[in-house]
Amino acid sequence: GQSLEQPSEVTAVEGAIVQINCTYQTSGFYGLSWYQQHDGGAPTFLSYNALDGLEETGRFSSFLSRSDSYGYLLLQELQMKDSASYFCAVRVNQAGTALIFGKGTTLSVSS
Amino acid sequence: DAGVTQSPTHLIKTRGQHVTLRCSPISGHKSVSWYQQVLGQGPQFIFQYYEKEERGRGNFPDRFSARQFPNYSSELNVNALLLGDSALYLCASSLTGEMGEQYFGPGTRLTVT
Repeated sequence: GQSLEQPSEVTAVEGAIVQINCTYQTSGFYGLSWYQQHDGGAPTFLSYNALDGLEETGRFSSFLSRSDSYGYLLLQELQMKDSASYFCAVRVNQAGTALIFGKGTTLSVSS
Repeated sequence: DAGVTQSPTHLIKTRGQHVTLRCSPISGHKSVSWYQQVLGQGPQFIFQYYEKEERGRGNFPDRFSARQFPNYSSELNVNALLLGDSALYLCASSLTGEMGEQYFGPGTRLTVT
């Protein structure tokens, strides 16, 4: 089977740093993506890691370790607007025909 | 540039009916994927189309079908609707067939009564 595990909820205060972990067990692996989704909105692409290491995009960074089947999303200088659900998703097919999403982590940022 | 558009925004159907959902990708994007998202869960992959050909299908029954047109827009059809089909249906487009980076539309909220 295919499974992605991520914490269901994370809370933090404005200005803090938070890390959302994702571990996966899938039939294939070609990359790990992260998406943000606000209540009632569409998922928004944040990052994609196909190779091991850290990718940085502004306040957000994403890390991948393929040997550990593990990745994380790091959010720095948290703002209230970062309160949302965050999903990790694994591309399981080289042709890009299947993207398996985790159940999501709800991040609540308070002042 | 316009993002991914979907229609209709909301839809209410009764059990046993048929529904057609529509999606227009970002201009220049040749790949369209469909997802079902129920409340509190991540999106579940239904179909991917690239250059008008089906590239993949998720674990959904044959009541679900889709197609992509020459202008790269797409339709998702669901026959014999069940209460459990109530969900947000999301369409996503990407420039190539690679699905690591996709751009989602606002979705169609389907309610089956």
